[in-house]
Amino acid sequence: LAKTTQPISMDSYEGQEVNITCSHNNIATNDYITWYQQFPSQGPRFIIQGYKTKVTNEVASLFIPADRKSSTLSLPRVSLSDTAVYYCLVGDEGTGGSYIPTFGRGTSLIVHP
Amino acid sequence: EPEVTQTPSHQVTQMGQEVILRCVPISNHLYFYWYRQILGQKVEFLVSFYNNEISEKSEIFDDQFSVERPDGSNFTLKIRSTKLEDSAMYFCASRPGPDRNTEAFFGQGTRLTVV
Repeated sequence: LAKTTQPISMDSYEGQEVNITCSHNNIATNDYITWYQQFPSQGPRFIIQGYKTKVTNEVASLFIPADRKSSTLSLPRVSLSDTAVYYCLVGDEGTGGSYIPTFGRGTSLIVHP
Repeated sequence: EPEVTQTPSHQVTQMGQEVILRCVPISNHLYFYWYRQILGQKVEFLVSFYNNEISEKSEIFDDQFSVERPDGSNFTLKIRSTKLEDSAMYFCASRPGPDRNTEAFFGQGTRLTVV
């Protein structure tokens, strides 16, 4: 059972705001919501993390409703260099009880000129 | 900014050979991970390592694979008797602690090609 569900792909244009929504209906009370960005042939890179309400940093905002069953990553004024795959993680717990950052399929964002 | 470094960046090996992929995690981190990503697919968890032993492993991480922290800085993934389907990007990651709100830092990966 997938822990997170995201759109497979999205298209946007330079200068637009992009919102990527992730569903995590079975999120646990102690789970945080973390977003990573991955460029081709590179390792994932942390973007932002939150537990509830809104979090903002220099690159993105993360909106989390009160029920925490979904979250929305907001990228303001995207540029061509924001073309990447974006992953929403709520993590997983292994059989030994340790937290494992676990990736789903991600959303492939293509920014057009 | 501290970073996870991986060597080599590319490795080509013949089927049946053994390969060792190397990683230097961030120095004060305690949790280490290996992931792999087959071309066009998602990032898959292989194994996590803490306190000099494996803490979690996936079904992918069978007897063909092993990990080791031979000294205070390196973290290695050994793949014995490589198969064509082992061709993938392999990423090492580290985290400072066990809390769920600590982010994972990933290396740039090693592209392994088995021919």
